[in-house]
Amino acid sequence: DTEVTQTPKHLVMGMTNKKSLKCEQHMGHRAMYWYKQKAKKPPELMFVYSYEKLSINESVPSRFSPECPNSSLLNLHLHALQPEDSALYLCASSQGWTVGNTIYFGEGSWLTVV
Amino acid sequence: SQQGEEDPQALSIQEGENATMNCSYKTSINNLQWYRQNSGRGLVHLILIRSNEREKHSGRLRVTLDTSKKSSSLLITASRAADTASYFCATINSGGSNYKLTFGKGTLLTVNP
Repeated sequence: DTEVTQTPKHLVMGMTNKKSLKCEQHMGHRAMYWYKQKAKKPPELMFVYSYEKLSINESVPSRFSPECPNSSLLNLHLHALQPEDSALYLCASSQGWTVGNTIYFGEGSWLTVV
Repeated sequence: SQQGEEDPQALSIQEGENATMNCSYKTSINNLQWYRQNSGRGLVHLILIRSNEREKHSGRLRVTLDTSKKSSSLLITASRAADTASYFCATINSGGSNYKLTFGKGTLLTVNP
C-alpha cells in the first residue's frame, strides 16, 4: 500500500482565517515533505521532516507553519495567507531522507485564498 | 531554482504512437526520477534511474540517462489516451547532505484517441 492521504481535498479560506492541511501515511516512512504547486508549474519544495524533525525549510514565510505530531502525520498550519498563496499543496513521504528513496505523493489539497 | 528542463513543453500524438520526452539538467546528480501528473491530481512515481545506470525499462516505459550530456529521455511506447498527463523529471543532486528532489518544468502529453 503506497498511499499518502491528504485532507481536505479543497479548502477556501479568507485572509484572516486559520486553517490546517493534514497528511497521513501508514507505510512506515520516516521522511515527509510539503510541496507547493502553482498552475502549470512544477512542484516546489517547502519543508522536509526526517524522523519527525524539521530538516529543511525552503525559506517559507512564517504564515505557513508545519508540524509533525508523529511519524505518520504531517500538518501544515495556515494563517494570514495571501491570495497568491492559492495553489495545490502536495504532501509526500519516503522510506528515509536519503538519496535513492522513491518519494510518494498524495493527491494534494487545493487551497484558494480569498 | 529548477534543475531539470523538459523538452518539448507540450506534445500531442495519436493513440498507438510512441512519445519521447527529454530532460536536461545542470549539476551532477545521484539519480533522476520521472513522475506523471494527471490534471489537478497528485504525482505518480514512474521510474528511478541511478547515475551509474544507462537505461531502465518498466512496462511500456523506457528511460535512458546520459550523464556526460546531463540528459535523460522517457519513451512511452504504444501510447493510450489514458497516458495523457504532464510528465516531470526530477533530480536529487549528488554531494552534501541536503537531499532535495527538484522538478523540471514538465512536458504536457496529449494522446488523441
